[in-house]
Amino acid sequence: GAVVSQHPSWVICKSGTSVKIECRSLDFQATTMFWYRQFPKQSLMLMATSNEGSKATYEQGVEKDKFLINHASLTLSTLTVTSAHPEDSSFYICSAKRQVRAEAFFGQGTRLTVV
Amino acid sequence: QKEVEQNSGPLSVPEGAIASLNCTYSDRGSQSFFWYRQYSGKSPELIMSIYSNGDKEDGRFTAQLNKASQYVSLLIRDSQPSDSATYLCAVKGGTSYGKLTFGQGTILTVHP
Repeated sequence: GAVVSQHPSWVICKSGTSVKIECRSLDFQATTMFWYRQFPKQSLMLMATSNEGSKATYEQGVEKDKFLINHASLTLSTLTVTSAHPEDSSFYICSAKRQVRAEAFFGQGTRLTVV
Repeated sequence: QKEVEQNSGPLSVPEGAIASLNCTYSDRGSQSFFWYRQYSGKSPELIMSIYSNGDKEDGRFTAQLNKASQYVSLLIRDSQPSDSATYLCAVKGGTSYGKLTFGQGTILTVHP
């Protein structure tokens, strides 16, 4: 199967600081990566879709200046939460897919706590 | 109407029974359908994918797809306590490249 590695698995940061989360596809080239946020007892909410070498497409209501996404290579995408606030505390999960396949595989997720 | 709908449950079945999870979707152009399992505090794990009408079996899991009824289901045979998790139905629409729409998930509890 396809392996997607996400780092860090958890992070605690102070309000007002920025946090970067990395998502790597370890054994395949990911033409598209997706970033989700999940609050407790809720389903996954897609934040943005990123294609290698192009700007990310953000879902309605997601602030692109707050959640910076970079997909610089076929194996790495990053999500930076800028000027984090307590309401940004959530479980952030990336997923990646190959160009010719429909399945998407998830990273382990990052639990962000902003204090 | 939600794009992908699941009964949130919880669905409780005894060990060894068949668990039946259901999902309906609104986009008739949808092409690909997936079932993910998510344990509490963990990220989703792909367990089944199905693309054409009918049944697809993989071990104790059977996915069923009926595009005319816009319905996809997952059967888990010989349910085990370790199957207790939230099961997410995901649908890839006909127009959105690669983007999956998730249902809210069904909580399954298998009791000994």
